[in-house]
Amino acid sequence: DAKTTQPTSMDCAEGRAANLPCNHSTISGNEYVYWYRQIHSQGPQYIIHGLKNNETNEMASLIITEDRKSSTLILPHATLRDTAVYYCIVNSRGFGNEKLTFGTGTRLTIIP
Amino acid sequence: DAGVTQSPTHLIKTRGQQVTLRCSPKSGHDTVSWYQQALGQGPQFIFQYYEEEERQRGNFPDRFSGHQFPNYSSELNVNALLLGDSALYLCASSSYRGTNTGELFFGEGSRLTVL
Repeated sequence: DAKTTQPTSMDCAEGRAANLPCNHSTISGNEYVYWYRQIHSQGPQYIIHGLKNNETNEMASLIITEDRKSSTLILPHATLRDTAVYYCIVNSRGFGNEKLTFGTGTRLTIIP
Repeated sequence: DAGVTQSPTHLIKTRGQQVTLRCSPKSGHDTVSWYQQALGQGPQFIFQYYEEEERQRGNFPDRFSGHQFPNYSSELNVNALLLGDSALYLCASSSYRGTNTGELFFGEGSRLTVL
């Protein structure tokens, strides 16, 4: 069963920051938070992951609360191409841990 | 650098038939995982192959089987197809021998329709 809770859907205006929340209150100490997205009819795409520190890459920023029970994915300047389903996943790193448990994710719609 | 490639992209089968789906992992990757994604749902883990052996398996019946070849490519076989097997089948690759960040690279999927 999925160990994360996400809103079913969200809208965001083009050019604004999109903030996608995720609750993972039962996360274990060795589990990372991963974010993937899936644009319609394509395979999921890795976005970012983190353990306890905030992370940033060319696609997004990941803010993890101090107690690690929740996190927020931030797309700083959303474009129409960011319209997708976003999945928050908790998983341990390392070989043999490629069994990702996807929930139903958040359907993010970017509004022109 | 080629990413994960899957074939065929679309196919239609009838109940009771058998199907084989193929996957070539990203260059430098040695581990392949297969996922099933029903319409409106998130992907569900089927199994993982490394060193030509099934290493992990999700909650799928024995009708679902696979194989990994020495070049790391993989096949997913489904026997005795049911209507409920209609789904997008996704292949994901990762690297064990290299730097394993836990990131999976997915292909575009093979969409199977069972009539």
